Parts: sequence; C-alpha cells; structure tokens
Amino acid sequence: DQQVKQNSPSLSVQEGRISILNCDYTNSMFDYFLWYKKYPAEGPTFLISISSIKDKNEDGRFTVFLNKSAKHLSLHIVPSQPGDSAVYFCAASNSNTGKLIFGQGTTLQVKP
Amino acid sequence: GAVVSQHPSRVICKSGTSVKIECRSLDFQATTMFWYRQFPKQSLMLMATSNEGSKATYEQGVEKDKFLINHASLTLSTLTVTSAHPEDSSFYICSAGRLYTDTQYFGPGTRLTVL
Repeated sequence: DQQVKQNSPSLSVQEGRISILNCDYTNSMFDYFLWYKKYPAEGPTFLISISSIKDKNEDGRFTVFLNKSAKHLSLHIVPSQPGDSAVYFCAASNSNTGKLIFGQGTTLQVKP
Repeated sequence: GAVVSQHPSRVICKSGTSVKIECRSLDFQATTMFWYRQFPKQSLMLMATSNEGSKATYEQGVEKDKFLINHASLTLSTLTVTSAHPEDSSFYICSAGRLYTDTQYFGPGTRLTVL
C-alpha cells in the first residue's frame, strides 16, 4: 500500500524555466509534508516543508503547495538551475509518530 | 540545517558477519532517530524507530533480531546487521529531528555490501 506516490519518475526542464514536481498521498492522518533532494550514494537533504494548516510555503526559489482536499502537494522550483538536477522525494508524516513515509522519487534534470 | 553523521560510509563484509552502523546528531539532542533502507532505484523505506532509553519499534516485515538497534544516548543510535547476507546489501540511512519539531535531517548514508 503506497501511501505517498510520485507518479512521474522523471522530469526534464530547461534552465530558467519552472520545475513542478507532484506528490499524492492517501492517508488523511498525515499532517506534515516535506520535500527532500537526494544525490546518489548520499543522504537526503531537506528542502522545504509544509504543515497541514497551511496551503503554501515559500523559501527562495522553492515553493510547496498543499491541497488537502485533493491530498496533493507540489514543489515548484523557479527559476530552475542545472544544479537542481537530482532525485526529489516527497515525504509525509503524522506528528504523533514522527515517522516519514516517502514517495518513490522523481528525477529532475535541468538542461542548460 | 542540523547535522547528522553516519559511520562508516561504506562497508564490505563477508556473509555471516555482523556490521555496526553508527548515527550521530552532532549539534542537537534527538530522543528519536529513524533508520531507513534504500535499494537501488527505489524509495527510502522506514525500518525502525529508535527511541532513546527504550526498545526500538520496527516496521512490519523488518526482523528485530536481525537488525539490532541501540539508542543509548540522545546523540547516538546504532544499527547492527547481524549475520549479514548478500540480500542485506543496501544503502542504510538514519535521520533525526530536534525535539518538538517535525523536520528530520538525514545522515549521509552507509553503503553495505555483503559478499
């Protein structure tokens, strides 16, 4: 039972354009959502998070949107840079347990 | 962000041996740490929750006798893979979060190869 899904395994974007990564979840008990960036053979690096009481959180070039009714969140990166090329994981948790459930990841390639 | 370290970064061992992986939170105390495993081209799968001063809680399908977890202090959790076999070869990652916050920070991971 995949509680967190990233249906796009890969995404290719031109430098300077917007990258939109999507994530869907099924468990309505999740109340905290995070995006991580990961390179091969390294641990995930925290990017941005959002609490279920919000619908948007912005940090520099990164914005996360949460649509609770649709159980959907997205990460917008604008403008995209070649250094953004990596695997992006969304994760969800319930604050009672703190356990993170990860999606499958989306490989982003930003072309110069 | 917070700093979490893991040691060793890579380990190669023979089948049947045990391997210990350390996870340390360097600049904060963590009552709870988490251990994940990632197989090639797959997502990170939570293995267990490491609780300081008490027994770890394991996810369904994870053998507690095979993956021993000790969380003896607020800055250190260890994962011991006992009697390792080739199918245990994977990338093991720990995470920790500051008290009363939801964001977890990850260690750099440990690549285990069992021959």
